[in-house]
Amino acid sequence: QSALTQPRSVSGSPGQSVTISCAGTSSDVGGYNSVSWYQQPPGRVPKLMIYDVSKRPSGVPDRFSGSRSGNTASLTISGLQAEDEADYYCCSYAGSYTLIFGGGTKLTVL
Amino acid sequence: QVQLVQSGGEVKKPGASVRVSCKASGYTFTSYVIHWVRQAPGQGLEWMGWINAGNGNTKYSEKFQDRLTFTRDTSANTAYMELSSLRSEDTALYYCARCDVAATAFDYWGQGTLVTVSS
Repeated sequence: QSALTQPRSVSGSPGQSVTISCAGTSSDVGGYNSVSWYQQPPGRVPKLMIYDVSKRPSGVPDRFSGSRSGNTASLTISGLQAEDEADYYCCSYAGSYTLIFGGGTKLTVL
Repeated sequence: QVQLVQSGGEVKKPGASVRVSCKASGYTFTSYVIHWVRQAPGQGLEWMGWINAGNGNTKYSEKFQDRLTFTRDTSANTAYMELSSLRSEDTALYYCARCDVAATAFDYWGQGTLVTVSS
């Protein structure tokens, strides 16, 4: 099974909004309410930012939001800050008790 | 506080096996699932599978089906990942991560264990 499709890189200036897409199929992203997003700064451990498509864990700023349209999920970061610069990964349930990650997106804050 | 502490880095020769441990603390070990995720140098995250720490049930990614074994020791609150028939492409940082039984998101991660496969 191929990884979910994410743009290799996105960028934005401080204060702007950016959206990272995660394209899958009806067998994963579009078929279940089980998409999560992880932030991984360079050399650090991944951190959960969004789960179940649009829910935020305690402690995650409300600048981070998740959504889905059809087979594509999206992570939007508003009010971009320098500390948001990191790699971002989506992850989806893919049926039969399996999960699949996206290829990852490098966010650069200009 | 919840912690997942993994064993130290390993260097293995091609064809060998490696076992990585993940010791949990700060929560009821048997109430959660432990997933394993790996990340090759400069690459993305790759899901490997999971073990239910309570009943020992497992699920492996098809990619690793015949080379991967998950176990757990409930008396030691520790999960283990063993990967056999190692090849150079298995060189990666291996993470354990906690997940609620009824969920699919990883709320706590171990620090990662670097496994290097080299002749």
